[in-house]
Amino acid sequence: DTEVTQTPKHLVMGMTNKKSLKCEQHMGHRAMYWYKQKAKKPPELMFVYSYEKLSINESVPSRFSPECPNSSLLNLHLHALQPEDSALYLCASSQGVMGRPYEQYFGPGTRLTVT
Amino acid sequence: TQLLEQSPQFLSIQEGENLTVYCNSSSVFSSLQWYRQEPGEGPVLLVTVVTGGEVKKLKRLTFQFGDARKDSSLHITAAQPGDTGLYLCAESKGAQKLVFGQGTRLTINP
Repeated sequence: DTEVTQTPKHLVMGMTNKKSLKCEQHMGHRAMYWYKQKAKKPPELMFVYSYEKLSINESVPSRFSPECPNSSLLNLHLHALQPEDSALYLCASSQGVMGRPYEQYFGPGTRLTVT
Repeated sequence: TQLLEQSPQFLSIQEGENLTVYCNSSSVFSSLQWYRQEPGEGPVLLVTVVTGGEVKKLKRLTFQFGDARKDSSLHITAAQPGDTGLYLCAESKGAQKLVFGQGTRLTINP
């Protein structure tokens, strides 16, 4: 099973709302990632969790708050977003530093629209 | 900062034709991955190349890694409409970071 699932598929939220994106994998991977992808651009890394600890934050604004409750789950909490935050948010996972860390498996993404 | 350059940016060809897309770097890759992304979906890993000169085949797709590990190519034989998508090369930076090229947007016309 090489599946990474993400919910919801689509999300529309106002600038004062609080919402969360969810990601789940059951491949036993120990590294999980959040990416942001704008239209016609490649994915851009936001956060990396390794063994359930935040290891990389690519200077992401604090209105995005990641959480890794356990090795299979990854959340992205959203608060007070701006319209320019509208994008496809992708979750990915990989084996982690002991395996082939560079092979990342992506979920289908959440299409976020901020109004 | 290492940059990944992909070419061409856009390619539109007829079904049955062959094509090659390229990924180049200003410095040596540690490893390189090719992904395909369809609209509204996440990237799907196609292949990883690690060794200079390596050639890997995936059905009608042939991936080559340059001897100096600074370039890679993806060749598609007898393209089909299902090959349509965004083709991304990506390089691992350290143990956890993946840096993507800008992609080649491929359209196969029936």
